[in-house]
Amino acid sequence: QVQLQESGPGQVKSSETLSLTCAVSGQSISSDNHWGWIRQPPGKGLEWIGSFYPGVNTNYNPSLKSRITMSIDTSNNQFSLKLTSVTAADTAIYYCARDNNRAASDIWGQGTMVTVSS
Amino acid sequence: QSDLTQPASVSGSPGQSITISCTGTSSDIGSYNRVSWYQQHPGKAPKLIIHDVSSRPSGVSNRFSGSKSGNTASLTISGLQAEDEAAYYCSSYRSYSTVVFGGGTKLTVL
Repeated sequence: QVQLQESGPGQVKSSETLSLTCAVSGQSISSDNHWGWIRQPPGKGLEWIGSFYPGVNTNYNPSLKSRITMSIDTSNNQFSLKLTSVTAADTAIYYCARDNNRAASDIWGQGTMVTVSS
Repeated sequence: QSDLTQPASVSGSPGQSITISCTGTSSDIGSYNRVSWYQQHPGKAPKLIIHDVSSRPSGVSNRFSGSKSGNTASLTISGLQAEDEAAYYCSSYRSYSTVVFGGGTKLTVL
């Protein structure tokens, strides 16, 4: 079955860049689906970060757009998120997910906690 | 403040039915049938339980149902069970290829 696994540093210093990777198994990320990122600050709700369809389009949350870059590594079947100039407000669990092409995330990674420290 | 509005909490007794509302605007729920619902137990990743307003993914109990009227979507859980106690989030496609979430509703099974 399709599985997603996030990886990256658990702590990032304020004003630096947060970098995360999502490794996908069971399906090629080059075909059939959108892929994306969603985050959840501790004790709070979900926030859509952005998603992409490989080779077609990339869409970002307007409130984060100026700080986000999403990229794909087809050779390793993984995709990545970079978020620049982080602040304490970016402290959250970051999830990668597969989108069913109808704006629904049907498969999620387990999530990775990222803390922004000063 | 979240883009979609949900009640912070709802509760019900085992066997009862409850409904959670999710109110958006004409730029999201009102214009697109791409409303989804997620169930999240503490410490776990969210799980998709409804997509496209009322469709259930394979393996999701038929006790979960979704609907939409105007700018408001609803999730109904019938025959409440203890295992249904969780947080529930709605989401919707919004104009210009973005997705918005509700703030979440904590369901307590009494």
